[in-house]
Amino acid sequence: SAVISQKPSRDICQRGTSLTIQCQVDSQVTMMFWYRQQPGQSLTLIATANQGSEATYESGFVIDKFPISRPNLTFSTLTVSNMSPEDSSIYLCSVLGSRTPPFGQFFGPGTRLTVL
Amino acid sequence: DQQVKQNSPSLSVQEGRISILNCDYTNSMFDYFLWYKKYPAEGPTFLISISSIKDKNEDGRFTVFLNKSAKHLSLHIVPSQPGDSAVYFCAASALGGANNLFFGTGTRLTVIP
Repeated sequence: SAVISQKPSRDICQRGTSLTIQCQVDSQVTMMFWYRQQPGQSLTLIATANQGSEATYESGFVIDKFPISRPNLTFSTLTVSNMSPEDSSIYLCSVLGSRTPPFGQFFGPGTRLTVL
Repeated sequence: DQQVKQNSPSLSVQEGRISILNCDYTNSMFDYFLWYKKYPAEGPTFLISISSIKDKNEDGRFTVFLNKSAKHLSLHIVPSQPGDSAVYFCAASALGGANNLFFGTGTRLTVIP
């Protein structure tokens, strides 16, 4: 199993500012995923980040709002830009569990974001 | 549109009894289903999965049942233990798309000692 850490674990931010969330994996992985869980809602995939290429965004999410970096095979960042209270969510990164039969994903602990 | 639904936001069960968590889906293209468990301040942890070619998968105290005609799956925990108290998410994927999981909204299970 992969061990995933995220920074920060939580933050309270002002409207209009931006926050960058870091995700570190203890092994090299090709694909990393960013999810959002709004209060009372399910986990929703924001984008898939592959090293060396542009991230692939899901419907309803755009690069200008959620720019993603993937500088190497163990690290990724997600920025929440020009935040509004509607961006208050838990943001999680995950990786595929290659040894898990099949389709298991390992998740980081999440970043709890509150926008005032 | 929510393609995976967990209609019970919470469930309380006495220790030692059976916990049954339910999940419904709408997309007939889903061919793999997973259950995740989430403790506070932690990310979801993969628990058990089932392929659409099966109707049952068992792993220790955990059994997942799939009824494709009803587009329904359930997770049975027997016997329930206080350490099972967590939020359980149902998830589904389609056409081998491991990179896109569709999650339900979760059911909070409380096992009462």
